[in-house]
Amino acid sequence: KQEVTQIPAALSVPEGENLVLNCSFTDSAIYNLQWFRQDPGKGLTSLLLIQSSQREQTSGRLNASLDKSSGRSTLYIAASQPGDSATYLCAVRQGSGNTPLVFGKGTRLSVIA
Amino acid sequence: SAVISQKPSRDICQRGTSLTIQCQVDSQVTMMFWYRQQPGQSLTLIATANQGSEATYESGFVIDKFPISRPNLTFSTLTVSNMSPEDSSIYLCSVAMNYGYTFGSGTRLTVV
Repeated sequence: KQEVTQIPAALSVPEGENLVLNCSFTDSAIYNLQWFRQDPGKGLTSLLLIQSSQREQTSGRLNASLDKSSGRSTLYIAASQPGDSATYLCAVRQGSGNTPLVFGKGTRLSVIA
Repeated sequence: SAVISQKPSRDICQRGTSLTIQCQVDSQVTMMFWYRQQPGQSLTLIATANQGSEATYESGFVIDKFPISRPNLTFSTLTVSNMSPEDSSIYLCSVAMNYGYTFGSGTRLTVV
C-alpha cells in the first residue's frame, strides 16, 4: 500500500528566503506526482504535475523535482512571500486510469514579513 | 482545465441530521472522487463514483452513512447522514483530467 510522507510538518521562514519542501513515497511505481496548495478551510489548488518520466517541472518561483527510483520529490520555492503561506500537499497517482490520489499530510508554511 | 462548482461552501448542522453536498463539473468525466479531510489531517478517499453504477467505498466508509448519487457525467452528490460531531470535516470532490486532478473548493462542515 502506497504511503506518502511529507517533511517538515510545519515551517516558518522570513520573507525572501528560498525553501525546500520534501515528499517521499514508498512505492516507486507511480504514474505521476502532483503538488497542491491549500489555504485554511479551502479546497486544493494544483501547483505542479510531474509525470513519472520527468525529472522536474517549473512554474514561476516554484520548481518541483522527482526522483522516482528513490521515491522522493521536492518542491522548491524561491524568494518566498507572505502570500505563499499555506499548506502544501504532495499526492501520487498510481495508474493511468481513474485511480485516486494518495496524499501526504502536508507541510504548513508560514512566511513572515 | 475543468472547473468544479461545489456547494455549499460551509454549513453548521445539528447532530442527527443529514447534509447533501453537490459537485457540478463543466465537462463530462467518467469518475468522480469524494474525499474527507478531518481537522489537521490530510485527505482520505471516501468513495469513487462512476456514472450509472453504485459508488465504490473505501474501507471504513459505508453507503448508509455516505450515500452518493451520480445521475450523469457532470454531476454528483455526497450525503453525510445521521451526523455526529466526528463528521466535522472538509469534504471535497475531485475529477481526474489528462493534466492532473482538479478539486472542488470544498465544503466545511461543522456538526454541533
